Amino acid sequence: EAGVTQFPSHSVIEKGQTVTLRCDPISGHDNLYWYRRVMGKEIKFLLHFVKESKQDESGMPNNRFLAERTGGTYSTLKVQPAELEDSGVYFCASSQFLSGTGAGNTIYFGEGSWLTVV
Amino acid sequence: EDQVTQSPEALRLQEGESSSLNCSYTVSGLRGLFWYRQDPGKGPEFLFTLYSAGEEKEKERLKATLTKKESFLHITAPKPEDSATYLCAVRLYGKLTFGQGTILTVHP
Repeated sequence: EAGVTQFPSHSVIEKGQTVTLRCDPISGHDNLYWYRRVMGKEIKFLLHFVKESKQDESGMPNNRFLAERTGGTYSTLKVQPAELEDSGVYFCASSQFLSGTGAGNTIYFGEGSWLTVV
Repeated sequence: EDQVTQSPEALRLQEGESSSLNCSYTVSGLRGLFWYRQDPGKGPEFLFTLYSAGEEKEKERLKATLTKKESFLHITAPKPEDSATYLCAVRLYGKLTFGQGTILTVHP
C-alpha cells in the first residue's frame, strides 16, 4: 500500500515567486493535514481537511498560504508570494479516522517537501 | 496554551546501554499521545499511540509508557541503527502538537 506522497521533494525559489506543493494521502483517508518545520523549531500544524472541507486552518501563518483539496483526494498548498521566512520543510499527513483508539486513528506522514526561498 | 516538552534534547549512548526519553505535556482533552521516529531528510515514521494513563506499548527494543502528565520511551539495549530523532506529539481533536524532539545517537 502506498504511503503519503509529496511533490516536489525539494524546491528552491526566489523571494516573490509562487510555489505549489502537492500531497497525495493514503487511499481511503478522509483526514489530510499539513504541517511545517522551520529551522530550529518544532513541527507545527498548519491545517486539517476532512474530505474536501477545511476543518481547522488555525495554523496557517497568513493569507499568502492557500490550501485546497480537490474532490477530497489530493491536496495542494500554494505559497504566493514566497518570503524568506517561508523556508522549511512542509509535511503532509493523513489518517482514516479522527476519534477512537483503533489503528485507523494513526496519523501517517509523508517524506516532506523541502522549500528554500532565496 | 498546550505544551509538549521533550528531554533531553540530545542523548548519546553506547551500544547496549539502555535509557529513557521523556515527553511531558500540559494539554486538556488529550486524544492520544504519539511517538514518531525521524531519520535525517525523512518524514516522521509512526511508532506508537497511547491513549490512557497506565497504557504501555512495545516494539522491538522500544517501549512507550504514559501517565497523566508525561510519557517515556524506553530503549533497551540500543543498536546503532536506533540512532534518529524521536518525536513526541499530543493530539487534540484533529491536530498534533509536537515537542522539539530528542536526538539519539548510539555508538558501536
